[in-house]
Amino acid sequence: QSVLTQPPSASGTPGQRVTISCSGSSSNIGSNTVNWYQQLPGTAPKLLIYSNNQRPSGVPDRFSGSKSGTSASLAISGLQSEDEADYYCAAWDDSLNGPGVFGTGTKVTVL
Amino acid sequence: QVQLVQSGAEVKKPGASVKVSCKASGYTFTSYYMHWVRQAPGQGLEWMGIINPSGGSTSYAQKLQGRVTMTRDTSTSTVYMELSSLRSEDTAVYYCARDLIAGFAFDIWGQGTMVTVSS
Repeated sequence: QSVLTQPPSASGTPGQRVTISCSGSSSNIGSNTVNWYQQLPGTAPKLLIYSNNQRPSGVPDRFSGSKSGTSASLAISGLQSEDEADYYCAAWDDSLNGPGVFGTGTKVTVL
Repeated sequence: QVQLVQSGAEVKKPGASVKVSCKASGYTFTSYYMHWVRQAPGQGLEWMGIINPSGGSTSYAQKLQGRVTMTRDTSTSTVYMELSSLRSEDTAVYYCARDLIAGFAFDIWGQGTMVTVSS
C-alpha cells in the first residue's frame, strides 16, 4: 500500500513528450527530495533522476524531473522505443509510513 | 567496477527463515548506506529497510518490523538480509541497492535474488 500515487499507465508515439505524475503528502514529497527509477522487463531498476531533477552520469537529457509542493513529475521528451518500461518515484517519508516509500508505478508504452 | 553481487535463489517453506547476502566491490563499503527492496511477481517495488555499513545501525519498514534483520560484515564487504516467519506473500525478488547520497537514490543495484515460499 504505497503512499505515493502514480497513474498506472502512460503512452505516446516515438518523438512525443510523455509526463508521469507522482502525488504524495507533506511527510514525503513535501519535505524530502524525489527520485525516479526506470525498470525494464526482467531487470533491476535503474536510477533515472535523483534530488528532484538531477541526472546520474549516462542518463540522457531527454529525461527530466521536477517537484512542486507535494507532487513531482517525470518528463520524457523525444520518446523512443527503448523507453518502454515501468517507472517509479520514490522518497523518504517522515511519518510511520516510512521511512522509505516507492510510488505505485507507471507503465509507459511506446505506440 | 562497482557492483553488488547477491546470493542465489531460495525456496523455503512457510514459517522458515531466509538469509540473502549482498557482496559489494569496487568502492569503499563503509561510505554508502545500503537498502533492501523487494518486488513480488507482477507487483511494484517495496522498500524493506536500510543499514549503515559503517556502524551497523538499521531502520526497517514498519510492516516488516520484528521479522526482518539486516546485518553487515565489514571484513568481506557484505550485507545480509534475514526474513523470518516466511509466508507466501513474501515470495518476491529481493534486491540490495547502494544509496548514492543517503537520499533514497539507489545508483547501484544487485542482480536480485528470487525467494519462493511454498509448501
